[in-house]
Amino acid sequence: QVQLQESGPGLVKPSQTLSLTCTVSGGSISSGSYFWSWIRQPAGKGLEWIGRISASGSTIYNPSLKSRVTISIDTSKSQFSLNLSSVTAADTAVYYCASAYFGSYFDYWGQGTLVTVSS
Amino acid sequence: SSELTQDPAVSVALGQTVRITCQGDSLRSYYPSWYQQKPGQAPVLVIYGKNNRPSGIPDRFSGSSSGDTASLTITGAQAEDEAVYYCNSRDNSANQWVFGGGTKLTVL
Repeated sequence: QVQLQESGPGLVKPSQTLSLTCTVSGGSISSGSYFWSWIRQPAGKGLEWIGRISASGSTIYNPSLKSRVTISIDTSKSQFSLNLSSVTAADTAVYYCASAYFGSYFDYWGQGTLVTVSS
Repeated sequence: SSELTQDPAVSVALGQTVRITCQGDSLRSYYPSWYQQKPGQAPVLVIYGKNNRPSGIPDRFSGSSSGDTASLTITGAQAEDEAVYYCNSRDNSANQWVFGGGTKLTVL
């Protein structure tokens, strides 16, 4: 069974870049069957899809975040990463990484990590 | 359209059947997936595709779609089913995936 674990700073200053990493275990990050996604959830609110990356490095981003988001993958480390630039308080949320089987549905999720944007 | 609309809250008596709906243009082209989220926990996939349940999901959960509306049905709701349920689908007009706003299910 695939397991995912987010890691990264829990506090980021406004205007800086939020950087998170998701480590994949129990399955191959190089599998062509999966796309690797980031999803976030502000406190008390719903889920927002941020974007995804394939094992080959092909990316798709939420149009509303596209100008600030970069997702990358390091198959040698079984990790994929999220960079979100020019953050504001509105980017404060629990950030989840998830696997998307053939990009259709999110079958495995990390436990989530809270990132607070504050000075 | 890039929106999926869900009722904010639904309640059901213990043991009864409840339907949670999700509406959006993209559902005319794509089956949604459904997620259950309990407080403080990550979402869990409960239904995907036409009507498929991942291993470990009870068979009281089922899914259906017609036109621009999809439904998650819980037949014989249990106390442990109390949670927020989200639908998700590929956006018909843009290359992205969209979540509904979520439906809080209360089991009375």
